[in-house]
Amino acid sequence: EPEVTQTPSHQVTQMGQEVILRCVPISNHLYFYWYRQILGQKVEFLVSFYNNEISEKSEIFDDQFSVERPDGSNFTLKIRSTKLEDSAMYFCASSPGVTGELFFGEGSRLTVL
Amino acid sequence: AQSVTQLDSQVPVFEEAPVELRCNYSSSVSVYLFWYVQYPNQGLQLLLKYLSGSTLVKGINGFEAEFNKSQTSFHLRKPSVHISDTAEYFCAVSDQGAQKLVFGQGTRLTINP
Repeated sequence: EPEVTQTPSHQVTQMGQEVILRCVPISNHLYFYWYRQILGQKVEFLVSFYNNEISEKSEIFDDQFSVERPDGSNFTLKIRSTKLEDSAMYFCASSPGVTGELFFGEGSRLTVL
Repeated sequence: AQSVTQLDSQVPVFEEAPVELRCNYSSSVSVYLFWYVQYPNQGLQLLLKYLSGSTLVKGINGFEAEFNKSQTSFHLRKPSVHISDTAEYFCAVSDQGAQKLVFGQGTRLTINP
């Protein structure tokens, strides 16, 4: 069964460093997303991406964040200068259409020291 | 703005007992509703969804949920739980035609033998 894959599963970084989280969405899906879950808190929407551009972003998704689909398979989230409060589990998701049925990866845990 | 409230952060039940996990939402427009499950160290997996039609929806692993528009609720039920149902359960809502999912804070279901 097709699935969304994410790498790395866990990354530890120093505050101020750049981090790139990678995702391979399901191949025939058209919509791509990043969500995050800070420990003990809700799963929060960060950004959605369609047709090679951001279609919606939350207020969390400020200038230090960027997304890219550099080739036909990968979807990346870059955090330019990490802060302690960026420590969270980051989930990538994809969907075939706009019915909200998202398929999630297993997440990338980011720890900022 | 949309919001989702899961009224119980933790629900302990005995094996083979019935369970109900409560979810209420607020939205000014028509919505799609979802329940996702997160097993330990895994990503979010779709349990069931309400898009339109019958208000009683059946999902995987014997779970079902009922959409109640007047009470703005979408409670999840299972008549007899198993140890393997131990997980975190998330209710989510999206506006019809929108991409973004808004999640509740999750309910941790613990099954005791």
